[in-house]
Amino acid sequence: GQQLNQSPQSMFIQEGEDVSMNCTSSSIFNTWLWYKQEPGEGPVLLIALYKAGELTSNGRLTAQFGITRKDSFLNISASIPSDVGIYFCAGQITSSGSARQLTFGSGTQLTVLP
Amino acid sequence: KAGVTQTPRYLIKTRGQQVTLSCSPISGHRSVSWYQQTPGQGLQFLFEYFSETQRNKGNFPGRFSGRQFSNSRSEMNVSTLELGDSALYLCASRRTGGPNYGYTFGSGTRLTVV
Repeated sequence: GQQLNQSPQSMFIQEGEDVSMNCTSSSIFNTWLWYKQEPGEGPVLLIALYKAGELTSNGRLTAQFGITRKDSFLNISASIPSDVGIYFCAGQITSSGSARQLTFGSGTQLTVLP
Repeated sequence: KAGVTQTPRYLIKTRGQQVTLSCSPISGHRSVSWYQQTPGQGLQFLFEYFSETQRNKGNFPGRFSGRQFSNSRSEMNVSTLELGDSALYLCASRRTGGPNYGYTFGSGTRLTVV
């Protein structure tokens, strides 16, 4: 099935460091979403982006919707141990009359070392 | 407010059997989607239901089916199970009435086919 290109696949960082991950697609999306998944749980929505060029923050998290509508990035500042998990980007097409399925990236496994 | 509830959490089935998974959406959410998550393929869209009607279906064989009841609860069924059907099956619900309502995921049902 179709997936977005998400990188990096995994990251090992020291507590306090900043983190950056991104997603690219060959298709245009009009919504970009970032989720975090912890073991044994479903993905939890972190940030939603609805306009090309939009930059949105949620605490230490900042995400941007690329101008071309084909990419997005997520930054985490001053990482802490509870940031550990798998981060997924997801693109979505929203239009009246059509189902709004999500297309997911392959995930970035984040490990924060003390 | 209760989240998305999926039952059972874990399931072990034998090849050739069939299985039914259940999802209770957040109260007031009328759209329910199902996703399959595997290490190899990541998160893949199965289908979406709204008002008891299937609105869209992903690229899965006909052995995968679903339905939605008048109270918005949904079930998915997999017949003639194969080893490759082992996965985490995630249900997500969404409030409708606007394009910017995000999906909330349940914790999933972990299906193991032996």
